[in-house]
Amino acid sequence: DAMVIQNPRYQVTQFGKPVTLSCSQTLNHNVMYWYQQKSSQAPKLLFHYYDKDFNNEADTPDNFQSRRPNTSFCFLDIRSPGLGDAAMYLCATSRDRTGSHEPQHFGDGTRLSIL
Amino acid sequence: SQQGEEDPQALSIQEGENATMNCSYKTSINNLQWYRQNSGRGLVHLILIRSNEREKHSGRLRVTLDTSKKSSSLLITASRAADTASYFCATDLFAGNMLTFGGGTRLMVKP
Repeated sequence: DAMVIQNPRYQVTQFGKPVTLSCSQTLNHNVMYWYQQKSSQAPKLLFHYYDKDFNNEADTPDNFQSRRPNTSFCFLDIRSPGLGDAAMYLCATSRDRTGSHEPQHFGDGTRLSIL
Repeated sequence: SQQGEEDPQALSIQEGENATMNCSYKTSINNLQWYRQNSGRGLVHLILIRSNEREKHSGRLRVTLDTSKKSSSLLITASRAADTASYFCATDLFAGNMLTFGGGTRLMVKP
């Protein structure tokens, strides 16, 4: 089955120690998204790539960066994680941007803990 | 505040009963989508309803959209314990805008 795969499922890092989360997709979709979801809350969009075009949400902290080296892979880098960054991070893809009536396909997320 | 607001925040029913969740939004939409999230997992797309559609069905799921009231409902008929999950509505405003998720309804179906 074509899928969105996130690794690792659980990540523990130390306060201030850089961490990278990864996402891969076999759907060959143009758009990849990163969401942050805290307990019992809605997913919050951090940024997305339309092909190689990077789009940052206005309120995404500078501490969060992303890379998309090719169609299949996308990475989320947190340069200096703080306690408030502990959350589930969800990667999603869609064939095209919103507005084209395309659903998003999600991975199972990486749960990040900060010690 | 969020574009989508869901009601109720939590719902507990017995297996076999129907579950209804509501979503209200503030501005005109291109489409509205419903997603399910099992505990500790990612979101799974359930149904997409376009702004010019009023009702859609998929198996035991029925979604309605009332653009005049800026509201949508998700009905799950003959619920099963496996339907226990959080359900989110998400609004797609128009091209170039991203999905905005509501706060979700936590559904518990007791066997």
